[in-house]
Amino acid sequence: AQSVTQPDIHITVSEGASLELRCNYSYGATPYLFWYVQSPGQGLQLLLKYFSGDTLVQGIKGFEAEFKRSQSSFNLRKPSVHWSDAAEYFCAVEYGNKLVFGAGTILRVKS
Amino acid sequence: NAGVTQTPKFQVLKTGQSMTLQCAQDMNHNSMYWYRQDPGMGLRLIYYSASEGTTDKGEVPNGYNVSRLNKREFSLRLESAAPSQTSVYFCASKDEGRGDTQYFGPGTRLTVL
Repeated sequence: AQSVTQPDIHITVSEGASLELRCNYSYGATPYLFWYVQSPGQGLQLLLKYFSGDTLVQGIKGFEAEFKRSQSSFNLRKPSVHWSDAAEYFCAVEYGNKLVFGAGTILRVKS
Repeated sequence: NAGVTQTPKFQVLKTGQSMTLQCAQDMNHNSMYWYRQDPGMGLRLIYYSASEGTTDKGEVPNGYNVSRLNKREFSLRLESAAPSQTSVYFCASKDEGRGDTQYFGPGTRLTVL
């Protein structure tokens, strides 16, 4: 069955430091993969998505993600974190016309 | 262009009461979704509607009903609320192509006492 695992429930990084959020998926065919961000008290906003082509995809707010089929991973990265990046991040895989979400990773940014 | 709107933003119910959560989108999308979000569990799909006039169960449909009133509106009804339904509810919509983005509403925070 399709599933998404985000191994880290919480991550704390210093402002200006680099960030990597992990995502592993289980899906039989070529996956369509998404990263969403949720600021406190808000809905979800799409950061980026992958479905074909270049395995390194660029998104909004300076985020990027790399698709690695051999590792069934789609990790999100940012070279330099800003305090405004503090939020919860969700990885998702499309199945049929639906999304299956991971449990989310809460990012805390310390100054 | 408001995107996806939800009403109400907050609601407190007593066990056994009923209520309907409203969702509307102005992007002319065919597909609409209802999710619930609980701490540590991500978003779980309750029901979805691939097009006007059709609805299907998602992962956690028990205790809920839905109505796709027209292409714009998709409502979620709790007939007899239970404390286990305390959650944040999100509505989303997307076009029908594979890989199309789902757009989310701001959510409804529901507490059942």
